[in-house]
Amino acid sequence: LAKTTQPISMDSYEGQEVNITCSHNNIATNDYITWYQQFPSQGPRFIIQGYKTKVTNEVASLFIPADRKSSTLSLPRVSLSDTAVYYCLVGSTGGNTPLVFGKGTRLSVIA
Amino acid sequence: EPEVTQTPSHQVTQMGQEVILRCVPISNHLYFYWYRQILGQKVEFLVSFYNNEISEKSEIFDDQFSVERPDGSNFTLKIRSTKLEDSAMYFCASSEALRGSQPQHFGDGTRLSIL
Repeated sequence: LAKTTQPISMDSYEGQEVNITCSHNNIATNDYITWYQQFPSQGPRFIIQGYKTKVTNEVASLFIPADRKSSTLSLPRVSLSDTAVYYCLVGSTGGNTPLVFGKGTRLSVIA
Repeated sequence: EPEVTQTPSHQVTQMGQEVILRCVPISNHLYFYWYRQILGQKVEFLVSFYNNEISEKSEIFDDQFSVERPDGSNFTLKIRSTKLEDSAMYFCASSEALRGSQPQHFGDGTRLSIL
């Protein structure tokens, strides 16, 4: 499983775009990059997943450069309710593959 | 949007007692998982389950733990004789059985408190 490195914490003002970068130098050919969000006392919530280039959904965008050794989760115009821990996971998620969570990035959105 | 549901939301149990945590995975999902998160720590994998048998388990999932899919909708985690260190949030997750990468979807957990 590829090891990931992401900032421990970030602060942002409401309405700003937030970019959280994750490093995964040892990513394997079959690995996907998946981001989860977790609020206190709730389960991790799937945000977005990608393999290469750019993926966008109604919640976020995921940018993956050609070498795939890093990825950036972009949250447009954050609000106070986006305050949470964000986890970057790298691995094969097919079948029964267990997810390996790190400590994540604690995002605090300030009014 | 379909979701994974877990009951109870909070369980308080005396040390040494048996506890059963219940989960209803998303209906068309075929892979099921249990994770736990001790307060202030990382989410840790416990076990995965497919086709009515355990596919993989972690070191945490010792003989005191068992899982079962007693019917077509429920997925349970049993801890036979609880210990103080079993106090944690327990999350159930499920995923589809399609080719390629399928994300796991989590429930909101059961907070287990061992006294």
